[in-house]
Amino acid sequence: RKEVEQDPGPFNVPEGATVAFNCTYSNSASQSFFWYRQDCRKEPKLLMSVYSSGNEDGRFTAQLNRASQYISLLIRDSKLSDSATYLCVQTGANNLFFGTGTRLTVIP
Amino acid sequence: EPEVTQTPSHQVTQMGQEVILRCVPISNHLYFYWYRQILGQKVEFLVSFYNNEISEKSEIFDDQFSVERPDGSNFTLKIRSTKLEDSAMYFCASSEAVYEQYFGPGTRLTVT
Repeated sequence: RKEVEQDPGPFNVPEGATVAFNCTYSNSASQSFFWYRQDCRKEPKLLMSVYSSGNEDGRFTAQLNRASQYISLLIRDSKLSDSATYLCVQTGANNLFFGTGTRLTVIP
Repeated sequence: EPEVTQTPSHQVTQMGQEVILRCVPISNHLYFYWYRQILGQKVEFLVSFYNNEISEKSEIFDDQFSVERPDGSNFTLKIRSTKLEDSAMYFCASSEAVYEQYFGPGTRLTVT
């Protein structure tokens, strides 16, 4: 059973571009969703929480569509430092379910 | 900024040996977790721990695995008899409430 599905990419975009990732989830009972970022061979780091109304943090915007059971992450004005794998995460009762991640490479 | 710490950063062990992975969660957090990530695969939940007992565990967390909070700061994962397929990165996480978990840097376990 795949709780969370993501396009693995890779997404290769030029610096300054806008890029969007989508993620679908199967557990409609999940209350909370997150985007984590993971650099190569490092731990996942919390990027943003995503709640029913969505939210924005600087260049990053996350949206939740409960009817279609997907969340998205939009990155504007991409920087070289945004190169990483972006993990879509939904909550279980006492744990997190991770997607396989979408790899982003920002090219100079 | 408080961080989750883990030791060792890399552990090499022979098949059948016992290993203990150690974690120090963020000090005011009440919920503790272990996850693992096999190279090239997704992060997988192993176990959650709250109020000195396991609150949830996955199918991966079988009788070979155990967790303990031996004192007020450490949180350990023990694998009793390691198998080759236990080779992975093991991440400890903690959270103040159930969500918004913060991960440690991980322990890379290599079973030979």
